[in-house]
Amino acid sequence: DAGVIQSPRHEVTEMGQEVTLRCKPISGHNSLFWYRQTMMRGLELLIYFNNNVPIDDSGMPEDRFSAKMPNASFSTLKIQPSEPRDSAVYFCASSLGWGGGATGELFFGEGSRLTVL
Amino acid sequence: DAKTTQPPSMDCAEGRAANLPCNHSTISGNEYVYWYRQIHSQGPQYIIHGLKNNETNEMASLIITEDRKSSTLILPHATLRDTAVYYCIVSAGGSNYKLTFGKGTLLTVNP
Repeated sequence: DAGVIQSPRHEVTEMGQEVTLRCKPISGHNSLFWYRQTMMRGLELLIYFNNNVPIDDSGMPEDRFSAKMPNASFSTLKIQPSEPRDSAVYFCASSLGWGGGATGELFFGEGSRLTVL
Repeated sequence: DAKTTQPPSMDCAEGRAANLPCNHSTISGNEYVYWYRQIHSQGPQYIIHGLKNNETNEMASLIITEDRKSSTLILPHATLRDTAVYYCIVSAGGSNYKLTFGKGTLLTVNP
């Protein structure tokens, strides 16, 4: 298995532009998580999905952020319009969830490093 | 509110055991203790988890006190590649579980 795949790995954009980050979870996993990491705030959970349905989006900073999971193999995190304070590394993680022998181990992608000028 | 307390940093000599402590005095009966680590610039990596009993896998051992208010992650023979930030997390299971990361402990393994 290729693991969790994120794209792009690096993105540099200007303030006001739309940014779309993409994630392909591990096949068969039914839970997907988006995290953001900065030096100041550490790793923050933004949103997570279970069976493609958003369960908790309380970590999404504001309306400029949106996330979708149209099917079990793809998710996007969109920022529109982007601001310099959105500069961070965004991680996607997937999991088998809980139950049936699974106990919630998260598998993380390599992250998307976003710089907003 | 932080559910866990970890020292910000620790040092360990290569080849020696690394013992990383974690306090979780407010842990609930249905909450598990998870350990992850993050090597510089990479995504976090799962290490081990437990509920009540001590656990061991190919990476580490997890010792949970009888009252479950603290735990220790043990890397039996630390190598330079074990230098990373180690996160201790408590979370309940179930379909709506989620993992909230704190600041963790930066473990530096020295040659």
